[in-house]
Amino acid sequence: DGGITQSPKYLFRKEGQNVTLSCEQNLNHDAMYWYRQDPGQGLRLIYYSQIVNDFQKGDIAEGYSVSREKKESFPLTVTSAQKNPTAFYLCASSIVVRGTGYTFGSGTRLTVV
Amino acid sequence: QQPVQSPQAVILREGEDAVINCSSSKALYSVHWYRQKHGEAPIFLMILLKGGEQKGHDKISASFNEKKQQSSLYLTASQLSYSGTYFCGTELHQTGANNLFFGTGTRLTVIP
Repeated sequence: DGGITQSPKYLFRKEGQNVTLSCEQNLNHDAMYWYRQDPGQGLRLIYYSQIVNDFQKGDIAEGYSVSREKKESFPLTVTSAQKNPTAFYLCASSIVVRGTGYTFGSGTRLTVV
Repeated sequence: QQPVQSPQAVILREGEDAVINCSSSKALYSVHWYRQKHGEAPIFLMILLKGGEQKGHDKISASFNEKKQQSSLYLTASQLSYSGTYFCGTELHQTGANNLFFGTGTRLTVIP
């Protein structure tokens, strides 16, 4: 079955460390997105990519980095520059056509300890 | 750019109806609706593309008033499985590229 796989499901990080969240899809979607979800704030866009080797900043890109070396993969690195990284991170994908729905992964909950 | 959803939370008994609203200050190309169970992936419900368009899925339907930049989600004869947080995602005319801005969500709880 096609879908999006995020790993790990839970991640603990010490302050000052970088961590990378994995997102893989086998839906043959060109567009991929990373969202951050905090209680009471909905989903906020971190980065998105519409094609391999290209990506754009979203509303809250500071302290994050991404790469898109393969169509299927869009890993997100949370760097030590991100001041408040504890959150639920969701990856999504879609075809690059306006007005089409997103498929979301099951998320990674990152906690800084 | 983030749409405003209301209410923030609602509690229903099985069989009751609910309406969730989503409004934007920007001109909209489309409105998406998703439902998320706690700790799980949001699940796509429907997209509305044209002003005045209404769609339905089982006992869940939605409307889109393009002139008012508003959408409403209607849940009729609610079931326990409808519990979750509902998000609207808005696609602006000006941005293109199928990028969505999500509302803060409406937590719906259906009780027996």
